[in-house]
Amino acid sequence: DAKTTQPTSMDCAEGRAANLPCNHSTISGNEYVYWYRQIHSQGPQYIIHGLKNNETNEMASLIITEDRKSSTLILPHATLRDTAVYYCIVRVFGNEKLTFGTGTRLTIIP
Amino acid sequence: DGGITQSPKYLFRKEGQNVTLSCEQNLNHDAMYWYRQDPGQGLRLIYYSQIVNDFQKGDIAEGYSVSREKKESFPLTVTSAQKNPTAFYLCASSIDGGGTFYGYTFGSGTRLTVV
Repeated sequence: DAKTTQPTSMDCAEGRAANLPCNHSTISGNEYVYWYRQIHSQGPQYIIHGLKNNETNEMASLIITEDRKSSTLILPHATLRDTAVYYCIVRVFGNEKLTFGTGTRLTIIP
Repeated sequence: DGGITQSPKYLFRKEGQNVTLSCEQNLNHDAMYWYRQDPGQGLRLIYYSQIVNDFQKGDIAEGYSVSREKKESFPLTVTSAQKNPTAFYLCASSIDGGGTFYGYTFGSGTRLTVV
């Protein structure tokens, strides 16, 4: 699976949109982009995934660039409960393993 | 409610003792996984199992053993051969061995401290 690069940490004001970038410049055509988050001392939680089209669900939106070399996870109205480590992962559909990097520590500021 | 249960949440053991971490799921998922997380680090795969009575080593299997006698259960034993066992251990499952769009469901973890 391709490697991803994320900023180590970010802050966002409560109520504002949180935009978390991810670079995956070596992504191949059959690799999906997944986002998970991990609140302190809990198991990671699935947020969203996509291949090449932008995706939206009740938690977040995922914007993937046209060349698929980078993506942005958007939390539209961040709350304090969104403080967590966010992991961007690329994975071949059908690959049994997910490989987690160190992620981005997002802190929502009151 | 369906989910994954890891027990205990906190575990203390003396150095040199083997210890077994429990992971049970009632999601009817075929595949199960064990990850290790150290402070400030990402998750590293220890073992995974795609079907009953079969499992494969992950990236850091040395010093660990697993069994998969039942679909619902995937216990992890941390043996005395594991040089640095103190860590946060996470169990996960997926509906099959990777053919799902939704990835994994994780348990709440077991924090193992060896003294």
